[in-house]
Amino acid sequence: DVKVTQSSRYLVKRTGEKVFLECVQDMDHENMFWYRQDPGLGLRLIYFSYDVKMKEKGDIPEGYSVSREKKERFSLILESASTNQTSMYLCASSPRAETGTDTQYFGPGTRLTVL
Amino acid sequence: AQTVTQSQPEMSVQEAETVTLSCTYDTSENNYYLFWYKQPPSRQMILVIRQEAYKQQNATENRFSVNFQKAAKSFSLKISDSQLGDTAMYFCAFMKGNTDKLIFGTGTRLQVFP
Repeated sequence: DVKVTQSSRYLVKRTGEKVFLECVQDMDHENMFWYRQDPGLGLRLIYFSYDVKMKEKGDIPEGYSVSREKKERFSLILESASTNQTSMYLCASSPRAETGTDTQYFGPGTRLTVL
Repeated sequence: AQTVTQSQPEMSVQEAETVTLSCTYDTSENNYYLFWYKQPPSRQMILVIRQEAYKQQNATENRFSVNFQKAAKSFSLKISDSQLGDTAMYFCAFMKGNTDKLIFGTGTRLQVFP
């Protein structure tokens, strides 16, 4: 079974703090994704990585950065957390679509509250 | 740009009954894929069913089936013999070609009642 894990289920931070959200997958997938999930807005892509050290902006990258130093690990960084970044953050991984398998596998999510 | 619309924020169904969740999308592409993902309460999101746009036959996975109307850009999910474990948030999603990236709808919260 594919396993995608996220470092925390719940996180509470203060405005202005630097926040790291970690995601690890164990299936040697090339692609990794960070989404935020908000009621009434669905899932919105923050950043996407298709290989180690490679990244691509998603639909809402402002206020976020990412790091992928190893294939299995993809980190989301909030340089200076703000209250409007309070949300559920979901990580996902997938093989490259050209392999014929495009299913994304999701982690359990991190519910971040910024006070 | 592609968009995915789920017009039913919430739905409910009695156990053993059938329910249909709606999804429409907008694209000018010919090569694309459509998905339904399920997110149970406090549990991880999982794939329910997948459809290739070039296939006319509707995809089926056990009690889950889709009604794919390409000309109408409609992709509804039918759940037959609903079970309490089907209670979840359901997301419709679109992928253009081999781009690897999904565009999600806003979700439909389905409650199955005993």
